[in-house]
Amino acid sequence: GNSVTQMEGPVTLSEEAFLTINCTYTATGYPSLFWYVQYPGEGLQLLLKATKADDKGSNKGFEATYRKETTSFHLEKGSVQVSDSAVYFCALRISGNTPLVFGKGTRLSVIA
Amino acid sequence: NAGVTQTPKFQVLKTGQSMTLQCAQDMNHEYMSWYRQDPGMGLRLIHYSVGAGITDQGEVPNGYNVSRSTTEDFPLRLLSAAPSQTSVYFCASSEQETQYFGPGTRLLVL
Repeated sequence: GNSVTQMEGPVTLSEEAFLTINCTYTATGYPSLFWYVQYPGEGLQLLLKATKADDKGSNKGFEATYRKETTSFHLEKGSVQVSDSAVYFCALRISGNTPLVFGKGTRLSVIA
Repeated sequence: NAGVTQTPKFQVLKTGQSMTLQCAQDMNHEYMSWYRQDPGMGLRLIHYSVGAGITDQGEVPNGYNVSRSTTEDFPLRLLSAAPSQTSVYFCASSEQETQYFGPGTRLLVL
């Protein structure tokens, strides 16, 4: 079946530190890959996506590259801010008519 | 566009009561879905729909019913609430790959 595994949290970083949140996937087809972010008390927002191998998604300083050879989609940011504190979810989807499959989420706390 | 809207934002129920969580979208998306979010469990799919008149079960459908009579609306019904259904519920709709989420309904079952 299809599944997503992401690193356990919580992750605590100081402001301006480098962030990596690991995400690997198992899929029967060729999925699109996503990172969603959930700020405290809010719903999920799409952060970035990649729809095919070697694509790089980017938004708000965050990046992730679709690596088919390692079945990974790791999230990175060069310099985190306090405002980046949130829960980050990695997800995959085989097609527009199939359910989104989520990882369990990684809570990030950034301290000043 | 209002996007995906959910009502109510917060609800307290007693065990055995019934209620309907409302979800609506104004983006003309065919695909809609319901998730529940529990601490340490991430998001789990309850039911989904690929279009009006079509629904299917997700990972945790027991205790929940859905219907899709229009493209815009996808209500989630709890026929007899149980404390195990205390959770935050998110509705989502999508066009192609990208899914858009509502703000959530926080449900407490006593």
